[in-house]
Amino acid sequence: KQEVTQIPAALSVPEGENLVLNCSFTDSAIYNLQWFRQDPGKGLTSLLLIQSSQREQTSGRLNASLDKSSGRSTLYIAASQPGDSATYLCAVRQGGSEKLVFGKGMKLTVNP
Amino acid sequence: GAGVSQTPSNKVTEKGKYVELRCDPISGHTALYWYRQSLGQGPEFLIYFQGTGAADDSGLPNDRFFAVRPEGSVSTLKIQRTERGDSAMYLCASSRAPKGTTDTQYFGPGTRLTVL
Repeated sequence: KQEVTQIPAALSVPEGENLVLNCSFTDSAIYNLQWFRQDPGKGLTSLLLIQSSQREQTSGRLNASLDKSSGRSTLYIAASQPGDSATYLCAVRQGGSEKLVFGKGMKLTVNP
Repeated sequence: GAGVSQTPSNKVTEKGKYVELRCDPISGHTALYWYRQSLGQGPEFLIYFQGTGAADDSGLPNDRFFAVRPEGSVSTLKIQRTERGDSAMYLCASSRAPKGTTDTQYFGPGTRLTVL
């Protein structure tokens, strides 16, 4: 059974720092990995999707990398801003399945 | 274009009652998913539709939960004899891709269900 872990559960940083968010998964037979952002009481916004054949994806200040063989992904946020404060969730889509398996998320607070 | 919409945004009900939660996917998206998110947890898969049929309902917790998508667009998640443990955020997502390909799942704002 696929398990997705995000450590730490919460992170508080001053504005301007470059951040690395970690995600690990137990079964490397995945189709893709997706990073989401969730604001309090809201739905999920997709940030980046990395297919299993890719090593990284970039969008603006965000860069996500994937090392499938070691079961790890990182989300890099450059020059963090208070507006980046949210919960960040990592999810994998298992090979042969349509469902996403999520981690518990990491709550990020960027202080001005 | 419009994103995934869900109604109601909040639903408060009493233990034992029946509830229906509605999801309108993005127009043209053939795949539709329901997830449930408890406080402090990540979303957990409930059911996946490809067109009108439930292609994977392995995440439904028990037979009190049922979902339909009769015309391949709007979906309704139905919960009978609600229990306090059903209280959670129910999220709907849709994607463009047919089965077997990779694509982004786009999520709606969710329905917050509270069972008193």
